[in-house]
Amino acid sequence: QLVLTQSPSASASLGASVKLTCTLSSGHSNYAIAWHQQQPEKGPRYLMKLNSDGSHYKGDGIPDRFSGSSSGAVRYLTISSLQSEDEADYYCQTWDTDMELFGAGTKLTVL
Amino acid sequence: EVQLVESGGGLVRPGGSLRLSCEASGFTVSRNYMSWVRQAPGKGLEWVSLIYSGGATYYADSVKGRFTISRDNSKNMLFLQMNSLRSEDTAVYYCAGIVTGAVQFWGQGTLVTVSS
Repeated sequence: QLVLTQSPSASASLGASVKLTCTLSSGHSNYAIAWHQQQPEKGPRYLMKLNSDGSHYKGDGIPDRFSGSSSGAVRYLTISSLQSEDEADYYCQTWDTDMELFGAGTKLTVL
Repeated sequence: EVQLVESGGGLVRPGGSLRLSCEASGFTVSRNYMSWVRQAPGKGLEWVSLIYSGGATYYADSVKGRFTISRDNSKNMLFLQMNSLRSEDTAVYYCAGIVTGAVQFWGQGTLVTVSS
């Protein structure tokens, strides 16, 4: 069964870097995912599509501070030079032939 | 610039029906995959339904048999017909445009409240 696992919360200081994780279930380590950001009281925003080989394709206007990488079944979102507006919920998303699937999300706090 | 604009949300009693609409611009509904995604108050994102460019449709188990996704190619619009609504269907519903599997475009959402 296809499942995405995210840590419920993360925190990092202003100006620092943070690495969020999204883990694909067993047997699905070659799946691509997408990362989405949802700032408080706003709708989701597409950040990037991230392939199993680590190649990623960002949406229009997404700053260079956001990058993605992969290792096995784990997909990473790294945010460098953290800014206050990066405080948000981050969701990973994947898909199969008959469905879309979202992880439960990680709430990022910028200290 | 791609824009997806939802409408049709509101307050409905349990067991009632509602039809959501999504008007697309800069993105051709008939040539792409489209989804509805919802978010209950204080909760995460939940996929609801998917329509392929070829017309095949798919549903989350939680809405199967009650919701129907469709589109009007001439108007470049996506719809979600929701019947037999339950309190647990209360959520903001987002229209989503999909490119190579990933949701790349989001609407602003429309709130559906199911309550007596």
